[in-house]
Amino acid sequence: DIQMTQSPSSLSASVGDRVTITCQASHDITNYLNWYQLKPGKAPRVLIYDASNLETGVPSRFSASGSGTHFTLTINSLQPEDIATYYCQQYENLPLTFGGGTKVEIK
Amino acid sequence: QVQLQESGAGLVKPSETLSLTCVVSGYSISSGYYWGWIRQSPGKGLEWIGNIHHSGTTYYNPSLESRVTMSVDTSRNQFSLNLRSVTAADTAVYYCASLYSSTDGFDYWGQGTLVTVSS
Repeated sequence: DIQMTQSPSSLSASVGDRVTITCQASHDITNYLNWYQLKPGKAPRVLIYDASNLETGVPSRFSASGSGTHFTLTINSLQPEDIATYYCQQYENLPLTFGGGTKVEIK
Repeated sequence: QVQLQESGAGLVKPSETLSLTCVVSGYSISSGYYWGWIRQSPGKGLEWIGNIHHSGTTYYNPSLESRVTMSVDTSRNQFSLNLRSVTAADTAVYYCASLYSSTDGFDYWGQGTLVTVSS
């Protein structure tokens, strides 16, 4: 199985801050990676597909990069509505696996 | 726009079978796509359970494969999950979702349904 190590597990930042989340894969997954946003009681939302492509309708303050084994998700200018838990997921191989999640809070 | 909605028993007794259904609207299951189940146990991350194609082809997580059965009902435009011999460790929010191929990211998700395993 491909292990996905996500960090940090939680973070607290101020409105307007730049936030970066990282995801490390145990094997080369080229660019087969998605980023998701989860909020309690709501359907999870895909933010980024194929490691760096912004899903339609996602605010441009979200961006992502990486390939191989190292990936990052960046939120430029954190907004109150970005309070959520973020997960990466690899789809290079089965079983599909997720990172452990990063809970983002407002300071 | 594809929409998914999970339904099923919210409380299941240990050793019994957890059964959930996901109704799909806005898209015909028979048209293609794969359909998956993912769960999130309390305080833990996301775990992929398995995927199914409208043809009935299934792919399961090896960690759950011995207890999982997924099925699809194209006439009702829905797919289902059965998880046998449940324990407290199976308590989780269960999500259904769609994906373009058997090995892919999930693009549309349901809101999730909490299933608690307890006597």
